[in-house]
Amino acid sequence: SQTIHQWPATLVQPVGSPLSLECTVEGTSNPNLYWYRQAAGRGLQLLFYSVGIGQISSEVPQNLSASRPQDRQFILSSKKLLLSDSGFYLCAWRFGGYEQYFGPGTRLTVT
Amino acid sequence: KQEVTQIPAALSVPEGENLVLNCSFTDSAIYNLQWFRQDPGKGLTSLLLIQSSQREQTSGRLNASLDKSSGRSTLYIAASQPGDSATYLCAVRGSNSGYALNFGKGTSLLVTP
Repeated sequence: SQTIHQWPATLVQPVGSPLSLECTVEGTSNPNLYWYRQAAGRGLQLLFYSVGIGQISSEVPQNLSASRPQDRQFILSSKKLLLSDSGFYLCAWRFGGYEQYFGPGTRLTVT
Repeated sequence: KQEVTQIPAALSVPEGENLVLNCSFTDSAIYNLQWFRQDPGKGLTSLLLIQSSQREQTSGRLNASLDKSSGRSTLYIAASQPGDSATYLCAVRGSNSGYALNFGKGTSLLVTP
């Protein structure tokens, strides 16, 4: 069966510090991978998606970036965090079938 | 751009009641619609997926319907239980953005004993 992991589960970082969030998927190959953000009072917002290794598409202009160095690994990064980057970050995957499956999420607080 | 709206934003019901959550979307050109459950501080759990060619899907006490032409979906929960308390999210999948989902803001449900 397929499993999706995210770490860390929670993170508190000061403004201006770097960020690296990791997502890995097990039990599938060549999935579509997605990063979403859920900010307080707002719906889930798609940030990035990837249809293959090294293929990243951005949906929202921001100071975040994403990379996919391996087939089942998706990384969200920032060189300098802003207060507005606080939120709940969710990684998701989809392969072949129609459903998307979500990871447990990372709660990021920028202070 | 696809806009997804969920009504009501919050709902409180006594245990045992049947209830309906509503979802509407502006662009009827969707591939499918998915209902999720989110517990506080947790990820999303998929409840039901309805393909654009389908009218409804059922899983246990849950029934989801889809009227694509009018841009509406409902999630019906029968005989609600305190364990059903959570936020319920509706999402539609379009043909662009790598087939990503467009989400509503959710309905926060509280079922009281």
